[in-house]
Amino acid sequence: DIQMTQSPSSLSASVGDRVTITCRASQDISNYLAWFQQKPGKAPKSLIYAASSLQSGVPSKFSGSGYGTDFTLTISSLQPDDFATYYCQQYYSYPLTFGGGTKVEIK
Amino acid sequence: QVQLVESGGGVVQPGRSLRLSCVTSGFTFSSYAMHWVRQAPGKGLEWVAVIWFDGSNTYYADSVKGRFTIFRDNSKNTLFLQMNSLRAEDTAVYYCARAIRGWRGYIDYWGQGTLVTVSS
Repeated sequence: DIQMTQSPSSLSASVGDRVTITCRASQDISNYLAWFQQKPGKAPKSLIYAASSLQSGVPSKFSGSGYGTDFTLTISSLQPDDFATYYCQQYYSYPLTFGGGTKVEIK
Repeated sequence: QVQLVESGGGVVQPGRSLRLSCVTSGFTFSSYAMHWVRQAPGKGLEWVAVIWFDGSNTYYADSVKGRFTIFRDNSKNTLFLQMNSLRAEDTAVYYCARAIRGWRGYIDYWGQGTLVTVSS
């Protein structure tokens, strides 16, 4: 199975900050990497697929990059609505696997 | 608009069975692969199973293989998860999710989830 490791597991940031979350795969997954946002008590929301492509309706302040084993999710200017937990997921092979999540909290 | 609505969750005793449903609308259900993903209380996301658009192929997580069965009824736009021999560690919110294809296809939409509690 492919292991997905996210860092940090949590971070505190202020409104307006630029935030970067890292995701590392245990083997080469090309660009078969997705990012999801989840707020407490809610279903996940799809943000990015193919490492860097925005899902329809997702604001451009979210961006993704990376290829192979190392990936990043960047939020350019954090807003109150962005405080949530973010997960990466590989869909290169089965079983699909998720990172452990990064909780973004208000400083 | 795309909608996925899960149902069938509840409290069940260990060793018993439960069937979850995911009724879909707003898209051509028979053209998409479908997944089940679960989340134990306070934990992260865990993939459970996938079924191809036509039901021709399925994959399962090792933790549920042999106990859970994913299937679909394309005439009713509905996805199912039959869960047998339930264990306490199966307690979770179960989400259905749409993927653009079965092999190397990304998830784009999620349902709101249904809670399954396995307890005596």
